[in-house]
Amino acid sequence: AQKITQTQPGMFVQEKEAVTLDCTYDTSDQSYGLFWYKQPSSGEMIFLIYQGSYDEQNATEGRYSLNFQKARKSANLVISASQLGDSAMYFCAMRSPERGQGGKLIFGQGTELSVKP
Amino acid sequence: SAVISQKPSRDICQRGTSLTIQCQVDSQVTMMFWYRQQPGQSLTLIATANQGSEATYESGFVIDKFPISRPNLTFSTLTVSNMSPEDSSIYLCSVGRGGGTEAFFGQGTRLTVV
Repeated sequence: AQKITQTQPGMFVQEKEAVTLDCTYDTSDQSYGLFWYKQPSSGEMIFLIYQGSYDEQNATEGRYSLNFQKARKSANLVISASQLGDSAMYFCAMRSPERGQGGKLIFGQGTELSVKP
Repeated sequence: SAVISQKPSRDICQRGTSLTIQCQVDSQVTMMFWYRQQPGQSLTLIATANQGSEATYESGFVIDKFPISRPNLTFSTLTVSNMSPEDSSIYLCSVGRGGGTEAFFGQGTRLTVV
């Protein structure tokens, strides 16, 4: 069965420092996708970054990068130069391979990040 | 990024009543997904809505409680029926793009049942 694990319920980081949010996954599929989302207190889900299982390079999007270690089945999110606006809940998710667009997502339990001034 | 308009954004409802949530996407998509996020919890998939066929429900979710419509490739509704306080959650619709490399969500509907 597919599973996403986020072991850090809460994290604190000083403003302007980098922080790593952990995510490990379990799947028997060879083709899969990994996503990270930010959920502020408003409840919306903001798409941050995507990593495909066959991608050789780690994904980067601005201040976000994904440290993808396939053999260890980990897909950690790195946020560089943290800002106060980064304070939110962060979810790691995995796409199960299905025909058609997208495919359903399986989510981890989330990590609440607090950025200190 | 996909533009998904979801409404209502929030509602407070009496137990025993029903609420219909709407999602409108800015372009045609094959599948739309409906998720529930209970307070303090992660997201759980309720069902997958395909145009022209019945929705596919995940374990623990049934059509009588969460009927879904998908009349065309840009629109879907989720109804939460005969509500109880346990249905108080955020409900979100989602679509995929980019051959599966992107997945976007509507703004969410924050439902409180009293």
